[in-house]
Amino acid sequence: NAGVTQTPKFQVLKTGQSMTLQCAQDMNHNSMYWYRQDPGMGLRLIYYSASEGTTDKGEVPNGYNVSRLNKREFSLRLESAAPSQTSVYFCASMGVAGEMGEQYFGPGTRLTVT
Amino acid sequence: QKEVEQNSGPLSVPEGAIASLNCTYSDRGSQSFFWYRQYSGKSPELIMFIYSNGDKEDGRFTAQLNKASQYVSLLIRDSQPSDSATYLCAVGYNQGGKLIFGQGTELSVKP
Repeated sequence: NAGVTQTPKFQVLKTGQSMTLQCAQDMNHNSMYWYRQDPGMGLRLIYYSASEGTTDKGEVPNGYNVSRLNKREFSLRLESAAPSQTSVYFCASMGVAGEMGEQYFGPGTRLTVT
Repeated sequence: QKEVEQNSGPLSVPEGAIASLNCTYSDRGSQSFFWYRQYSGKSPELIMFIYSNGDKEDGRFTAQLNKASQYVSLLIRDSQPSDSATYLCAVGYNQGGKLIFGQGTELSVKP
């Protein structure tokens, strides 16, 4: 089992460029999440998907879109990147309600927008 | 706006001492509480969760919850240099299983 995988690991974008961050999990989890982490800010939820076919906004959704492609995959898209979106992005997944809170995280994508 | 607050630290303790990490939360309706550990450059991993008032022990770790005071803490006994990491407090919500994280407390255990 690979767990949660993310691609790419590193990315540099120019302001205004677009890109999609990919996330996949092989644990048959229903719920998936996208966070960003900035120094001194902890993890902030961007979007989440409680089940295949549903997505909801988190704390900081502006400037992002998501797609829950199937049960395994949850992508995050930056349509027009801004320097304020420079951050480390983590994808996570979670199983059934009995395991609430045990989110499994991918290795992260380090994004720099110049 | 649901808020979770932690002292950002860094908190420095000598090897073998007890490290105490604290967290407060604003939503009185919160039901579940979690501690994640994150090593530098790595992703977070769950180390403890607690749902009921009181203490919950797991090896060298003890989580303490006081819902009346809206306060949750993590005690690490016999701290080791390998415990040096950032500790993230999180509050869980039934809505989609989402978590709201605090900003994290950096712990440094000195040999």
